[in-house]
Amino acid sequence: NAGVMQNPRHLVRRRGQEARLRCSPMKGHSHVYWYRQLPEEGLKFMVYLQKENIIDESGMPKERFSAEFPKEGPSILRIQQVVRGDSAAYFCASSQGTGIPDTQYFGPGTRLTVL
Amino acid sequence: EDQVTQSPEALRLQEGESSSLNCSYTVSGLRGLFWYRQDPGKGPEFLFTLYSAGEEKEKERLKATLTKKESFLHITAPKPEDSATYLCAVINSGGYQKVTFGTGTKLQVIP
Repeated sequence: NAGVMQNPRHLVRRRGQEARLRCSPMKGHSHVYWYRQLPEEGLKFMVYLQKENIIDESGMPKERFSAEFPKEGPSILRIQQVVRGDSAAYFCASSQGTGIPDTQYFGPGTRLTVL
Repeated sequence: EDQVTQSPEALRLQEGESSSLNCSYTVSGLRGLFWYRQDPGKGPEFLFTLYSAGEEKEKERLKATLTKKESFLHITAPKPEDSATYLCAVINSGGYQKVTFGTGTKLQVIP
């Protein structure tokens, strides 16, 4: 009964490079959410996706950040031309999409370090 | 905009010393309130969902309660393995599943 899977667990990038973070939801879950957690800060919502659709991206920075959840394969959070301020833990959560509200189950996170 | 404030920021307890964590919220129509536990270097682990004022839920040494303005997480006779950061989050009655988290209470239980 695998939970939410994220990879890589740790990612190091130099300024200006691209970062790709992957998330596979729990079996039976069709909704995916991405959050960012800075040291000593709370989890901040970034984007909410269903298969092939972005439902709410109100928490995503307007530039350099994008997310997708294709019909096949994991959800991807992509950060182009990374800067030091992008260093954070990025968490993915998934839900069944049947409840109101829908309980979100989190993955272990990807820790991004920008040098 | 929805807001969640948790207090205290940090709490240190002796093993067996019961206490409560507070979560105050401002939300435009509460659809649900969640409690999560987060261990260092790990993702949040779901504990409870509360839907309406007066509701209570229990799991082992933890009990969550909800009023119209706040929620409490009561910890009875804690053990060192209860040490973690406890996160509170709310979801409003808007159209989507957008969750707003508090910054958490870091609990340390000393043997």
